[in-house]
Amino acid sequence: DTEVTQTPKHLVMGMTNKKSLKCEQHMGHRAMYWYKQKAKKPPELMFVYSYEKLSINESVPSRFSPECPNSSLLNLHLHALQPEDSALYLCASSQDMWRQRKREGSTGELFFGEGSRLTVL
Amino acid sequence: GNSVTQMEGPVTLSEEAFLTINCTYTATGYPSLFWYVQYPGEGLQLLLKATKADDKGSNKGFEATYRKETTSFHLEKGSVQVSDSAVYFCALSGPYNQGGKLIFGQGTELSVKP
Repeated sequence: DTEVTQTPKHLVMGMTNKKSLKCEQHMGHRAMYWYKQKAKKPPELMFVYSYEKLSINESVPSRFSPECPNSSLLNLHLHALQPEDSALYLCASSQDMWRQRKREGSTGELFFGEGSRLTVL
Repeated sequence: GNSVTQMEGPVTLSEEAFLTINCTYTATGYPSLFWYVQYPGEGLQLLLKATKADDKGSNKGFEATYRKETTSFHLEKGSVQVSDSAVYFCALSGPYNQGGKLIFGQGTELSVKP
């Protein structure tokens, strides 16, 4: 199983709503990522979890709240979003995080999900 | 710091034409290099990778060779199809002992016409 599964695929929410995006992987990867992507632009890193602990927060506004309940699951809780937060949110996983790569030959390859397309009205 | 520069798009080709998308990088040490592809409405998929100098990555008729002397990783395909229409991202991951975060280029949109 080499898949990263994201739900929902599409989400429309108002600025006062609370919703969550979910991500799951069963590859035994210990690093999981949230990226935000605008149309035809490269993904922008938001958060990195390594061994279920938050390792990187790229100065993301607090209206985005990540959670890693276990090594296979990653959530992104959304609250009081703005229209400019409308984007494709991509989850990814890798064997390990770049700062903790223990061995030569670990390539840093990320496996991406299909994304959750979020529209904030 | 590490960086990736891709040729700007959009690139429009006729079916069966030859494709080259240029990618050059700046990095310390020996990064791993990747091409990711994003089809319309989908997430990113790894297309191919190379982990050391002179390695050639290949997949689905696409090829790219890791050229350390020119710090390049150009993507090529001999005969493109309409189904190859997508956005292509070149990326690098620095060596493990130098904080190898995945760095993306700006992306190149390819449109293949029948």
